Amino acid sequence: SQQGEEDPQALSIQEGENATMNCSYKTSINNLQWYRQNSGRGLVHLILIRSNEREKHSGRLRVTLDTSKKSSSLLITASRAADTASYFCATDDSGAGSYQLTFGKGTKLSVIP
Amino acid sequence: EAGVVQSPRYKIIEKKQPVAFWCNPISGHNTLYWYRQNLGQGPELLIRYENEEAVDDSQLPKDRFSAERLKGVDSTLKIQPAELGDSAVYLCASRPGDFSYEQYFGPGTRLTVT
Repeated sequence: SQQGEEDPQALSIQEGENATMNCSYKTSINNLQWYRQNSGRGLVHLILIRSNEREKHSGRLRVTLDTSKKSSSLLITASRAADTASYFCATDDSGAGSYQLTFGKGTKLSVIP
Repeated sequence: EAGVVQSPRYKIIEKKQPVAFWCNPISGHNTLYWYRQNLGQGPELLIRYENEEAVDDSQLPKDRFSAERLKGVDSTLKIQPAELGDSAVYLCASRPGDFSYEQYFGPGTRLTVT
């Protein structure tokens, strides 16, 4: 079953613009992770945010977490054509950290050169 | 460092035939996962191994699916017999160990059942 739901399902932007993707989930979590999947390839881990954190940065990525609303957002700044991919949020929904992830359906991002 | 290796990358079989997928995780990674990813969906966990022990196989359809990780290193996932609905990408992932939450994914095996 899918825990997270990403919004929007698809997003198309011009190169240089910012892209924002949202994720909502249903149960309490230990941490939330974002992964990227290029067409026909496996997933690559982007960033992890723990349940006691509210914001985290990594390069051009910014992740926020609101546990009261059970939601997270991923912001990619100054997008590039190479950012074209599907982005998934994944929750580790055990209080103690079960090391098992439940993925959402993903947001398909297209960055137009 | 070599990544997670999976083979084959693509497989086309007729329904009712058996099929097997192989995964070699990153060296030293104790935890191994098998996921199934349907078109337009996120990956769904099938089974998780800690070393050679299957600690969660609740999502594995046991009537036709089986998996093994005999020496706690590489793993095989088998489907017998395959059904049309098994067409999907089968992903393997590994994780180093305790207190490391990030998972490393292989490229996947795309299975088409005709």
